[in-house]
Amino acid sequence: GDSVTQMEGPVTLSEEAFLTINCTYTATGYPSLFWYVQYPGEGLQLLLKATKADDKGSNKGFEATYRKETTSFHLEKGSVQVSDSAVYFCALSPQGGSEKLVFGKGMKLTVNP
Amino acid sequence: EAGVAQSPRYKIIEKRQSVAFWCNPISGHATLYWYQQILGQGPKLLIQFQNNGVVDDSQLPKDRFSAERLKGVDSTLKIQPAKLEDSAVYLCASSKDRGPYNEQFFGPGTRLTVL
Repeated sequence: GDSVTQMEGPVTLSEEAFLTINCTYTATGYPSLFWYVQYPGEGLQLLLKATKADDKGSNKGFEATYRKETTSFHLEKGSVQVSDSAVYFCALSPQGGSEKLVFGKGMKLTVNP
Repeated sequence: EAGVAQSPRYKIIEKRQSVAFWCNPISGHATLYWYQQILGQGPKLLIQFQNNGVVDDSQLPKDRFSAERLKGVDSTLKIQPAKLEDSAVYLCASSKDRGPYNEQFFGPGTRLTVL
């Protein structure tokens, strides 16, 4: 079945460090791919998405590129801030119009000043 | 625009008791989802409604879980009887319509502890 594997944490970085969170998926065809973020005490929020191969999603300085050949959607940010401390979830929505989201386990990021 | 509302935020019960969670989606959103998030895991879809009809309940443990959305607006998820392994955060989400291009907006969740 469809699944998402993402890098496990927790991860602690210093402010202005470079961030990469790896995400790979297993799915038939061309799923849509998402990154969701959960800030402390808040609900899940969509951070960015990509709906076809080679698409790049971007938001708030974060980027991720849909790589069909490596079935990956790694999240990157060039310079993290304390306010980026949160749990990050990679997710997919299977091809064919299905709107079900299949999530990875999530990765907790803490950014220290 | 108000977000997805859920209540209660926290609930502690003993095993074999019953519990119900309520969700009020964003106004005008036709599609409503219930997810279960066990500690250390990502959310897992339990059931999806389109208006007041069920689209997908393939992962809902129907022997103990039930959900309804009678008027196509708010929804209730019930567990009867609860088991220890039901301890989790129950998330409600809504979207304007079906399809992956319609962003799902999540509520704050209800944290259930079963003792």
